[in-house]
Amino acid sequence: DAGITQSPRHKVTETGTPVTLRCHQTENHRYMYWYRQDPGHGLRLIHYSYGVKDTDKGEVSDGYSVSRSKTEDFLLTLESATSSQTSVYFCAISEPDGRASGNEQFFGPGTRLTVL
Amino acid sequence: QKEVEQDPGPLSVPEGAIVSLNCTYSNSAFQYFMWYRQYSRKGPELLMYTYSSGNKEDGRFTAQVDKSSKYISLFIRDSQPSDSATYLCAMRRIQGAQKLVFGQGTRLTINP
Repeated sequence: DAGITQSPRHKVTETGTPVTLRCHQTENHRYMYWYRQDPGHGLRLIHYSYGVKDTDKGEVSDGYSVSRSKTEDFLLTLESATSSQTSVYFCAISEPDGRASGNEQFFGPGTRLTVL
Repeated sequence: QKEVEQDPGPLSVPEGAIVSLNCTYSNSAFQYFMWYRQYSRKGPELLMYTYSSGNKEDGRFTAQVDKSSKYISLFIRDSQPSDSATYLCAMRRIQGAQKLVFGQGTRLTINP
């Protein structure tokens, strides 16, 4: 998975609890992304980062926040988890256009989150 | 209405068949078009990408983009059981961050 790890890989939590998912990369890629995957929706972008401390919202950002204090780590936080946030979460990394492999996003193995 | 529409299938074909997977889209600003393959309980991996209109071939796989019709296709020739996976189309604009918009994914099974 192109030097991308996600932790935890599985998590079961209860409604209203905070949850933080971690994405760690060893590729030194500049861009990082968080997606969620749900049946019938494919992958949808939650937040992305185009550098350390530079983040922006994606298509489905409500209820999520992110932080990136180091190039290699991108954290996704659910401040107060809800059942609608039960999903599989994927982290991805890429390089800017014009660089080698700049058109490819490499995906991590995913985190399965269940909110009861 | 979703920006990218993809028939979710499932699609089941015999080994050796030609498979055609398709997506339509509504945003004329999309310029990069990708196909990702995702095996069960794994992350997606890039299979092919195409810039603007045209065809691109890689082994048994051919990607086609018709921007005038806002329609992209992936063809798999001489399909193998190892091709059984979910195939996701994705696309994005040229400018700005590389924000991909995905189709729903088509679940494909190749039967030996």
